[in-house]
Amino acid sequence: GAVVSQHPSRVICKSGTSVKIECRSLDFQATTMFWYRQFPKQSLMLMATSNEGSKATYEQGVEKDKFLINHASLTLSTLTVTSAHPEDSSFYICSAPSAGGYGYTFGSGTRLTVV
Amino acid sequence: QKEVEQNSGPLSVPEGAIASLNCTYSDRVSQSFFWYRQYSGKSPELIMSIYSNGDKEDGRFTAQLNKASQYVSLLIRDSQPSDSATYLCAIQTGRGSTLGRLYFGRGTQLTVWP
Repeated sequence: GAVVSQHPSRVICKSGTSVKIECRSLDFQATTMFWYRQFPKQSLMLMATSNEGSKATYEQGVEKDKFLINHASLTLSTLTVTSAHPEDSSFYICSAPSAGGYGYTFGSGTRLTVV
Repeated sequence: QKEVEQNSGPLSVPEGAIASLNCTYSDRVSQSFFWYRQYSGKSPELIMSIYSNGDKEDGRFTAQLNKASQYVSLLIRDSQPSDSATYLCAIQTGRGSTLGRLYFGRGTQLTVWP
């Protein structure tokens, strides 16, 4: 079945640095990628939707200059957390619509800890 | 904002019992409904999808949808300790600029004790 490979699975960085998270669709083309953030014991909150070859659409309250999304190809979307702060520590998950138009394939998630 | 409501639980059932998880949603044009299971520290995995009114069975899992009542449920028969996880209800709406995205509930934490 469709697989979205997400890396890294876990990252610890210092405040003020930037972190890039990659999501690659394997064996299918992902024209759209959804980026979620999940805080402990909370549900998944959509941050932004990226579309190949165009600018990402950000949800209300999400800073587009802080969370940079690039979807330069049909198989790769990246999220860069710039100037990370401890409050950015969270579980970040990407998801792409599966082939056929129904269902979604999730990446394995990235646990970001900012110290 | 589309509302998806779930009892946060925790729901605790003994091994072998039936676990019943409920979800209500606010948007009447919602077209697709999903149940995801999420283990601690892991990303969600799809358990069931349902698109039309009625019941859909897959092994020990049965999803029930009632669009008139805006209600979707998940029954887990013969619950096993390995079913212990958080279950997320998600809906997909079908109009305008929101086509394609999922709206998640907060999840119900299920514990199945041996």
